[in-house]
Amino acid sequence: GENVEQHPSTLSVQEGDSAVIKCTYSDSASNYFPWYKQELGKRPQLIIDIRSNVGEKKDQRIAVTLNKTAKHFSLHITETQPEDSAVYFCAASISGDNAGNMLTFGGGTRLMVKP
Amino acid sequence: ETGVTQTPRHLVMGMTNKKSLKCEQHLGHNAMYWYKQSAKKPLELMFVYNFKEQTENNSVPSRFSPECPNSSHLFLHLHTLQPEDSALYLCASSLNWPGLPDTQYFGPGTRLTVL
Repeated sequence: GENVEQHPSTLSVQEGDSAVIKCTYSDSASNYFPWYKQELGKRPQLIIDIRSNVGEKKDQRIAVTLNKTAKHFSLHITETQPEDSAVYFCAASISGDNAGNMLTFGGGTRLMVKP
Repeated sequence: ETGVTQTPRHLVMGMTNKKSLKCEQHLGHNAMYWYKQSAKKPLELMFVYNFKEQTENNSVPSRFSPECPNSSHLFLHLHTLQPEDSALYLCASSLNWPGLPDTQYFGPGTRLTVL
């Protein structure tokens, strides 16, 4: 089955700096890669996702890059703010096979943005 | 925030009790999921239902019994649990249809403590 590794497990940055979180996956058939943000005591919420037919996607301060050959994808947050502090999870799945979208999650990265 | 709801939000039970967790989605989705989130492990997929049919049981012990009476409701019946089953149980749903986005949306979770 799919295995997703996520690094680092904790990341501390100064407000205004950039943060990068990296994930690798094992199943070359995976074609859908979402990123979720989970604030303390709250549900995971999708912040951005990418499909295997594109290499990069950007939404304001957040961007995700995908390297299918190397089987890794990364989350980039620019101009970090204290409200970006949360746990971020990457995930991978084979999407669109009518059997349900079975996400395999990485171990999570606790991001702390210091004011 | 009201697209996927879960009840109860907190549950304390003894090892001999029987209880049920409930999930309801108001998004018109056709796939529903149960996840377990514990302090030391990433989000673990437990069960997947697609159009009310169970399509995945991720080697979950039989003391967890899912039920999906329709595409909007999902239950997790619990009996003779162990203290190590204490965790946050998250429900999610997605629209699983070829060619359409299949993002998973999470409920707020049930914080379960087994004494």
